[in-house]
Amino acid sequence: QSALTQPAAVSGSPGQSITVSCTGSSSDIGDYNYVSWYQQHPDKAPKLLIYDVTNRPSGVSNRFSGSKSGNTASLTISGLQPEDEADYYCGSYSDGTTFYVLGTGTKVTVL
Amino acid sequence: QVHLVQSGAEVKKPGASVKVSCKTSGYRFIDYYLHWVRRAPGQGLEWMGWINPYSGSTEYAQSFQGRLTMTRDTSINTVHMELRRLTSGDTAIYYCARVVTRGIAARPSTRASGLEVWGQGATVTVSS
Repeated sequence: QSALTQPAAVSGSPGQSITVSCTGSSSDIGDYNYVSWYQQHPDKAPKLLIYDVTNRPSGVSNRFSGSKSGNTASLTISGLQPEDEADYYCGSYSDGTTFYVLGTGTKVTVL
Repeated sequence: QVHLVQSGAEVKKPGASVKVSCKTSGYRFIDYYLHWVRRAPGQGLEWMGWINPYSGSTEYAQSFQGRLTMTRDTSINTVHMELRRLTSGDTAIYYCARVVTRGIAARPSTRASGLEVWGQGATVTVSS
């Protein structure tokens, strides 16, 4: 199965805003508004940050926001904090060769 | 409170099979799709498949077709994931996860809107 494409690494200083991109195709992100974002700290289970492109589950900080344009989705982290240092993954429904596809993952470093 | 509790770590020989369980609590079991995702050492998350706990219907990622089976036991609110013909490449942490949107219709909105509640993970090591 083809994974969604994310940058391997993104970094920023405390207080800054960063954006993580997630590029797919017309079989997934481009045609469906079922994009989600996950945060994973070392040795922990992933945590849902965003679902249906822009929705935040209860309890997730409003510093995390999602958007989509064409075949690319984006996660923006505002007011970067040290605890935001983690791996981030996007996910999307797909009508291609697989039914759900995850991104390649992005390591976010807080400088 | 919603909880997904997985079975413990497993060590298997190449060619063997492994079965990982995921016991759910705190919600109506048959109302939400459940997915399985794994993460191999040094790799990213990999989607494996989903199961509809109401009907038992499943969909699997193409890369696992023929050696992956997901089942559910509604009497104990538990789903199982069995992977056969293991190789060293199957060494990973295996997670079950419940979707955020309630519903068992075969629509993207209920099957794949986002994975909200995760199990703690089960480590499977394949080694001779």
